[in-house]
Amino acid sequence: GENVEQHPSTLSVQEGDSAVIKCTYSDSASNYFPWYKQELGKRPQLIIDIRSNVGEKKDQRIAVTLNKTAKHFSLHITETQPEDSAVYFCAWRPGNQFYFGTGTSLTVIP
Amino acid sequence: EPEVTQTPSHQVTQMGQEVILRCVPISNHLYFYWYRQILGQKVEFLVSFYNNEISEKSEIFDDQFSVERPDGSNFTLKIRSTKLEDSAMYFCASTADKLVAKNIQYFGAGTRLSVL
Repeated sequence: GENVEQHPSTLSVQEGDSAVIKCTYSDSASNYFPWYKQELGKRPQLIIDIRSNVGEKKDQRIAVTLNKTAKHFSLHITETQPEDSAVYFCAWRPGNQFYFGTGTSLTVIP
Repeated sequence: EPEVTQTPSHQVTQMGQEVILRCVPISNHLYFYWYRQILGQKVEFLVSFYNNEISEKSEIFDDQFSVERPDGSNFTLKIRSTKLEDSAMYFCASTADKLVAKNIQYFGAGTRLSVL
């Protein structure tokens, strides 16, 4: 089946530092790469996404970069805050279904 | 803002029983999905549904599972004979029809299924 690898599985940073999470996918046909944030016991919520014709997209403290040649895309969170603590999932869409990464548990230490 | 709604929020059932999980997608959306998330694990795709038929399904979606859109608003997931390993959070999601917008998935709050 299709696969997306996500690293790291856990990440702890000091408040104010940056966090980077990376995902590698296998099928070059995908053209849409979203990132979801899931707080404990809640639904996944889309925080940012990028399409294959764009290399980087930024929304305030969150940015996503895409390297189609290397087949990976990364989430960057700058100036982290305690409320950024959550599990983050990357996803990709080859066809009409979404595959999710294994998740990264981010802890921002005040 | 429109939301995907799911009922019930928590369903407890005995092993071997049938359960039906219900979802009301956003009203003008045409693509519907079910996902499962076992506690502490990643979100796993089960099935996608479009134009009153299954569009794609994963290996998890075996003969014990079925989906239905019985009317113009509900989208249901049925598990015919539940097993202990079916215990998980089940999320419904929907996307719009427009070429670009249909990429953006909106998730419901989920139904936690506990099989005893």
